[in-house]
Amino acid sequence: KAGVTQTPRYLIKTRGQQVTLSCSPISGHRSVSWYQQTPGQGLQFLFEYFSETQRNKGNFPGRFSGRQFSNSRSEMNVSTLELGDSALYLCASSMYRDRGVYEQYFGPGTRLTVT
Amino acid sequence: SQQGEEDPQALSIQEGENATMNCSYKTSINNLQWYRQNSGRGLVHLILIRSNEREKHSGRLRVTLDTSKKSSSLLITASRAADTASYFCATASTHNTGFQKLVFGTGTRLLVSP
Repeated sequence: KAGVTQTPRYLIKTRGQQVTLSCSPISGHRSVSWYQQTPGQGLQFLFEYFSETQRNKGNFPGRFSGRQFSNSRSEMNVSTLELGDSALYLCASSMYRDRGVYEQYFGPGTRLTVT
Repeated sequence: SQQGEEDPQALSIQEGENATMNCSYKTSINNLQWYRQNSGRGLVHLILIRSNEREKHSGRLRVTLDTSKKSSSLLITASRAADTASYFCATASTHNTGFQKLVFGTGTRLLVSP
């Protein structure tokens, strides 16, 4: 099976702009999660989508949003970009393994730089 | 915010030596997972240990979990230069939605010199 793919891999935007990142999960995986990684805050959970519905959300402002399509592909959007939004954005698709355990597989990430 | 703290923050060893990284966390968990990340790229899943397990092996990797101390350790034996990477522990707790959010530790940067 193909792994999790994320596009674009690198992006440079200007403060105040908005950006959309895309994630295609592993075939058959219905859950997609997004994480932000920065040197200062480390890896932090943004949100999770399952069957086109946001099930869980982390502690991020409303400028961060996402959605999931019927084919499980997901997009996340950041509006009114700030310098602090510069980060590596990681997408993970997961499937239920057994006994309450989910396995999460991460994509290569999108490196966003805000200038 | 992160739940886990990893120790040490950075570790430099020679090829062939063993590397041990420790992770502490704060809340009850369903399982704990270790990931590797090369140079700010994607995360590679290494090993998962459930809350009712105490030790797990996978190749040169050995993971222990002590839920009473809320801590875990990752041992890499006979290290190689290719093991140079950052290593993260991540705890998973099940939400009432059924989803398991991963809460990552701060990471240990491992440098293995030839």
